[in-house]
Amino acid sequence: EAGVAQSPRYKIIEKRQSVAFWCNPISGHATLYWYQQILGQGPKLLIQFQNNGVVDDSQLPKDRFSAERLKGVDSTLKIQPAKLEDSAVYLCASSLGEGLYIQYFGAGTRLSVL
Amino acid sequence: TQLLEQSPQFLSIQEGENLTVYCNSSSVFSSLQWYRQEPGEGPVLLVTVVTGGEVKKLKRLTFQFGDARKDSSLHITAAQPGDTGLYLCAGFNNAGNMLTFGGGTRLMVKP
Repeated sequence: EAGVAQSPRYKIIEKRQSVAFWCNPISGHATLYWYQQILGQGPKLLIQFQNNGVVDDSQLPKDRFSAERLKGVDSTLKIQPAKLEDSAVYLCASSLGEGLYIQYFGAGTRLSVL
Repeated sequence: TQLLEQSPQFLSIQEGENLTVYCNSSSVFSSLQWYRQEPGEGPVLLVTVVTGGEVKKLKRLTFQFGDARKDSSLHITAAQPGDTGLYLCAGFNNAGNMLTFGGGTRLMVKP
């Protein structure tokens, strides 16, 4: 079974530029998560989708971050404009449903903002 | 916001030693999970504990959930270099649909 696919693996941009990350969850997984993991810290949930609806986005900086999950499958996370403090690994995860279903994580996209 | 604190942050030991890492909070969690993350990869689930006082064993790893469901520990017996990685605890909120991660314990086991 294919895992969670993320691209790109690495991205280097300058501050104030825009960037987008893509995630393809495991087939059939209704719930999709985007996490931000700053170096030396644990992952922080940015947004959680159930199918194509948002379950929680309370920790998403909505002035610069946006995410969508069209047709309830793939998802994109965008940052516009990027700040230095956005440098982190952005992890996508998916699960069959909410709650105690296992979350499967992708390898992440490492973003460096210069 | 529910916070999870992990200790120690870093741990470097020799192969064959035992170790315990801790995960503490002032909040009650409906359940708690432990993950291991290797460099360049996403976290991988090791175990889920649900009941206060629950103890689960996974080969050389023993996980315990506190009676009050506010804390947890992970004990590794006879550590091996393959155990090296970042160990993360994560707790579910009362509704059971949102996961909060701790800051992690970075373990290095030297041969």
